[in-house]
Amino acid sequence: NAGVTQTPKFRILKIGQSMTLQCTQDMNHNYMYWYRQDPGMGLKLIYYSVGAGITDKGEVPNGYNVSRSTTEDFPLRLELAAPSQTSVYFCASSEGQGAAYGYTFGSGTRLTVV
Amino acid sequence: AQSVTQLGSHVSVSEGALVLLRCNYSSSVPPYLFWYVQYPNQGLQLLLKYTTGATLVKGINGFEAEFKKSETSFHLTKPSAHMSDAAEYFCAVRFSGGSNYKLTFGKGTLLTVNP
Repeated sequence: NAGVTQTPKFRILKIGQSMTLQCTQDMNHNYMYWYRQDPGMGLKLIYYSVGAGITDKGEVPNGYNVSRSTTEDFPLRLELAAPSQTSVYFCASSEGQGAAYGYTFGSGTRLTVV
Repeated sequence: AQSVTQLGSHVSVSEGALVLLRCNYSSSVPPYLFWYVQYPNQGLQLLLKYTTGATLVKGINGFEAEFKKSETSFHLTKPSAHMSDAAEYFCAVRFSGGSNYKLTFGKGTLLTVNP
């Protein structure tokens, strides 16, 4: 059981480039999330999805886009990368709504924008 | 506004000493509460959670936490620290109402264990 898989693990981008961070889960979870983690700041929610075809903004969505065409996949797109997007990105999924479910996290993507 | 506060960004203990990591939340309605642990260069792993019922919750690796409604707290403890406990710990809260499937995280507490 793979859980939540993120690729790539590391990436260096130049300012203005774009890329897609991949996230896939094999637990048939409806709810998926993208967070970014910056030192001393905890985790900030970028986007989330409550099911295929449904996405919504979190706390810090600017500069990012997402799509959810299948239950399994929830890619995060960075357009026109900026140094402020240097961070560690985590994808997570959860089961159920309004219930006491925690998240299952991927192992993260460390992104540096230079 | 609903928020999660972890007191102390860095806690240092000696091996064998008590570990106490503090978490407070702001909400008038008791939420669901979680503690996660993050080892270096890894994702977050669930340590324990409180939903309803018994307010003292036991988790993995000998950790436990107690929900105190009157103090709006959910502090994490372990009686005797081990070197392998060195990691960053995050308190997270699922607030009731609205989009209540999202977790709000504290800023984290880095635990170092000295031999």
